[in-house]
Amino acid sequence: DAKTTQPNSMESNEEEPVHLPCNHSTISGTDYIHWYRQLPSQGPEYVIHGLTSNVNNRMASLAIAEDRKSSTLILHRATLRDAAVYYCILRGEYGNKLVFGAGTILRVKS
Amino acid sequence: EAGVTQFPSHSVIEKGQTVTLRCDPISGHDNLYWYRRVMGKEIKFLLHFVKESKQDESGMPNNRFLAERTGGTYSTLKVQPAELEDSGVYFCASSPFSGTGLYEQYFGPGTRLTVT
Repeated sequence: DAKTTQPNSMESNEEEPVHLPCNHSTISGTDYIHWYRQLPSQGPEYVIHGLTSNVNNRMASLAIAEDRKSSTLILHRATLRDAAVYYCILRGEYGNKLVFGAGTILRVKS
Repeated sequence: EAGVTQFPSHSVIEKGQTVTLRCDPISGHDNLYWYRRVMGKEIKFLLHFVKESKQDESGMPNNRFLAERTGGTYSTLKVQPAELEDSGVYFCASSPFSGTGLYEQYFGPGTRLTVT
């Protein structure tokens, strides 16, 4: 599985947008970009995924660079409940297991 | 719809004892996964079931770990005998489809295992 690189931690103010970056320079043409998050004392939770085009859902938006070597998870208005570890994961076209890295610890200040 | 459930939520056992963890996936999900996070490390894949068959068990650390999924419904993960380094949080996840990177996995809350 291709590797991703994320900042160790980020901080945001409540009600402000948050942009969480992820680099994946070795991504292959059939790799999907998935984002999961893990809230304190809970299991990981799916956030969003995409292949080439930007994606939006009720939780977040995913912006994918044109060359697909990087992507950004966008939380439009951070709340205290968004404080979590965010994982950027590449999944092959036929990928099953998730390969977690260290992720980005997001802290949200009130 | 009920989510993935795991039992127990927390288990404390002594080194050398046996522990069995249980996972009930979302109803109708053929795919079931086990992961774990040991102290200070990243979440690691253990194995993947499709119905009752082991599709991928490449992450199982050693033969002290035995996973089963009889009947293709719930799954158990037995650790026998438990060692100190087995302490950590064990997560179960399920998914309706396999063979594609498209679909998300739904995780349970985890079982925290402490071996003393």
